[in-house]
Order: sequence, then structure tokens, then C-alpha cells
Amino acid sequence: KAGVTQTPRYLIKTRGQQVTLSCSPISGHRSVSWYQQTPGQGLQFLFEYFSETQRNKGNFPGRFSGRQFSNSRSEMNVSTLELGDSALYLCASSMGQGGEQYFGPGTRLTVT
Amino acid sequence: GESVGLHLPTLSVQEGDNSIINCAYSNSASDYFIWYKQESGKGPQFIIDIRSNMDKRQGQRVTVLLNKTVKHLSLQIAATQPGDSAVYFCAEGGGTSYGKLTFGQGTILTVHP
Repeated sequence: KAGVTQTPRYLIKTRGQQVTLSCSPISGHRSVSWYQQTPGQGLQFLFEYFSETQRNKGNFPGRFSGRQFSNSRSEMNVSTLELGDSALYLCASSMGQGGEQYFGPGTRLTVT
Repeated sequence: GESVGLHLPTLSVQEGDNSIINCAYSNSASDYFIWYKQESGKGPQFIIDIRSNMDKRQGQRVTVLLNKTVKHLSLQIAATQPGDSAVYFCAEGGGTSYGKLTFGQGTILTVHP
């Protein structure tokens, strides 16, 4: 079974731009969660989608948004990028009943 | 000002030793706990999980212990190998926190041949 895939793997953007990251979950998984990982804050939960609905949200500003499609693939968008948004963005998929989450390799975003 | 990076605890062991990594969790309502391993340049890899109705669970070379009284979780790795070198994270979740895991700061494990 293929694992969680994320595209692109690396991205360089300029402050003020916006970015869209994509995540394809493991086949059959209906839940996708997004996390931000930085050296300063560690791994922090952004939001979770299940059956195209946002079910849970972390403490991030409204510049961070996401969506999920009918095939369970998910995208997250960050608008008006700031230098502090530079991070590894990870998505994880699960069946959705509170079980284990399987992570993708992440997208390394650098904001200059 | 500049952000200060997390100062991760470190554990250094010799190949063949047993390793114990500890974690204190924060939410008494959490009923699900996971250990992840993260190698450089990769996403976290699932190791083992445990529900709050258990206090011990064993996998291949790994054992997780849960002490709900003091909100403490530990991961024991038997016969540690150089390939076990990585950052290890505990995470808590469950209840109505659908899809949300709260991660610990992580522990760097270094295994010397």
C-alpha cells in the first residue's frame, strides 16, 4: 500500500506571496491532519479534515487554511507569507476514528 | 528577536544496550498515546501506540509503558541498534480531539557502534 505523499517536497517563496501544499492520504483513509514543524516550536497541529469537513483546528491565524476533496486528498494554503512561516509542513492520514496517524515526508517551505 | 530553538533532551547509548525514553503528557483527558521516530529529512514514523485502558504494550523490540497517575509515558527499546538513532516523539490524543495529536518536544537518541 502506498504511503502518504506530499507535493512539492521543497518550496521557496517570497514574503507576501501565497502557497498551496498538497497531500494524498493512504488509500482508504478519510482523515487528513496537517502539522507545522519548526526548531523553535516543535510539531504543532494546524487542522484536520474528515469527509471534506474541517473537524478540528489548531491555534494558527486565518492565513492558514485548508480543504479536502471527495477523494480525501487535501490541500493547505498559506496567504501573505511571513518569514516565520518557514517550516516543514507535514500531513498525516488515518481512518478517522482516533487511530494512528501516518505521516508523509513533508514539504519544506522557505520564506525569504 | 530571534526565536530560540527547543533544547531537546539527548540520550546516548552503546549498540546492544536497552534504551528508555521518557515523556510527560499534559492532558488528563487524553486516552490515546503514540510514539513516533523521526529521522533527518523524513516525516515521523509510527512506532507503537497505547490506549488509556492499558498500562503496557509490547511490539517488536519496543515496549510502551503508561502511568496515568503521574501522566508519564515511556518507550523502551531493546538491544538498541545504530539504525535506531533518531528523534523520538511522544504524542497524545483521543476524546473529541479528532485527528489532533499534541506532540512532546522530542528526545534525540544516538546509538554508538
